[in-house]
Amino acid sequence: AQSVTQPDIHITVSEGASLELRCNYSYGATPYLFWYVQSPGQGLQLLLKYFSGDTLVQGIKGFEAEFKRSQSSFNLRKPSVHWSDAAEYFCAVGAHSGGGADGLTFGKGTHLIIQP
Amino acid sequence: DGGITQSPKYLFRKEGQNVTLSCEQNLNHDAMYWYRQDPGQGLRLIYYSQIVNDFQKGDIAEGYSVSREKKESFPLTVTSAQKNPTAFYLCASSIDGGGLLKTQYFGPGTRLLVL
Repeated sequence: AQSVTQPDIHITVSEGASLELRCNYSYGATPYLFWYVQSPGQGLQLLLKYFSGDTLVQGIKGFEAEFKRSQSSFNLRKPSVHWSDAAEYFCAVGAHSGGGADGLTFGKGTHLIIQP
Repeated sequence: DGGITQSPKYLFRKEGQNVTLSCEQNLNHDAMYWYRQDPGQGLRLIYYSQIVNDFQKGDIAEGYSVSREKKESFPLTVTSAQKNPTAFYLCASSIDGGGLLKTQYFGPGTRLLVL
């Protein structure tokens, strides 16, 4: 079964500083990988996704993530954070099943706090 | 605007009562999903449906039921058998066409509280 680990429950970053949120997955083959962001009391918004090809993917709001197969990681980065980036961030993995839809497996999330 | 709507935003349940959460999408997506979110637990899959009149249990289906009579709608019923229903419930949808189309889009959520 697939699993996702987000090692950091909380991260505090100063506004304007760079950010890296860690995500490690466990899956027997090449997974589909996603990063979502959630503001308090809201649904999840897709930031970016990786299916295949270039291992560095660009997303919305200036975020990017890099797929590293050797490390089973898909870390999210942003060069300079803004106060509006404060939110909960979720990494998720989907299986390369034969076809059809099935659910994603989510990490437990990282709560990002931005210091002025 | 295309999107996913969930209602109500807040829902209160009394002991022994069944309650139904609504999820509607106008994205013409084939697949729909229900997740439960608890603090510090991430999201866990309750049920999903790939096509009308068909659905599959997820990881935590006990105490829940669903129906899929229309492509646009996937209501979730929290039954009295669910002993700990207080949570934030999220509905999602995706195109169903094989692995490359697994990107799921989420609704705004319903918070269920027990009185």
